[in-house]
Amino acid sequence: GAGVSQTPSNKVTEKGKYVELRCDPISGHTALYWYRQSLGQGPEFLIYFQGTGAADDSGLPNDRFFAVRPEGSVSTLKIQRTERGDSAVYLCASSELAGVKFFGPGTRLTVL
Amino acid sequence: AQTVTQSQPEMSVQEAETVTLSCTYDTSENNYYLFWYKQPPSRQMILVIRQEAYKQQNATENRFSVNFQKAAKSFSLKISDSQLGDTAMYFCAFIPMDSNYQLIWGAGTKLIIKP
Repeated sequence: GAGVSQTPSNKVTEKGKYVELRCDPISGHTALYWYRQSLGQGPEFLIYFQGTGAADDSGLPNDRFFAVRPEGSVSTLKIQRTERGDSAVYLCASSELAGVKFFGPGTRLTVL
Repeated sequence: AQTVTQSQPEMSVQEAETVTLSCTYDTSENNYYLFWYKQPPSRQMILVIRQEAYKQQNATENRFSVNFQKAAKSFSLKISDSQLGDTAMYFCAFIPMDSNYQLIWGAGTKLIIKP
């Protein structure tokens, strides 16, 4: 596809459950980013991948959050023991050039 | 600390009018990029316009233009001939030129275009 895609579009889960959110970046983009966006706020940086490695994971809020990008393309954001406070839109972006990020449509996560 | 401030939480104008969204930022960097992103209800974050700090000429993309005042650290977005499809959240963002990832975001301005 031409753009960044994210699945699922919406995810509803119960407190304490495990969830995985997937991001397919634009083909050829080496950099991939995860953000979290709460209602009425700008995106909050979570993690940045350059190729297969996490170049910066300083934005992950705690050790319940983990992300992988094993082949340098698709990335999965994993959240263990979900809490109600994890409810947000999770955005993925990819880029080739510095600063020019293309965003996916996001996954809306609701933790009941 | 590097920050981006959008002082207008919400604005509304009539279709076809011109509207200006304000953005100020704080940084000690000399070289950086500034962006305006649009986020409609579909949630997709779409790049509207980009400005390199070393360029004095204001960036323009069709109906969208910026007023970049580097000394004042101001980066406002002007939308001319506004259309219903311009209704969205607008985010101002900043990134140092030597960084590939640390976008600093404003809180956003909700823009409503009324028919």
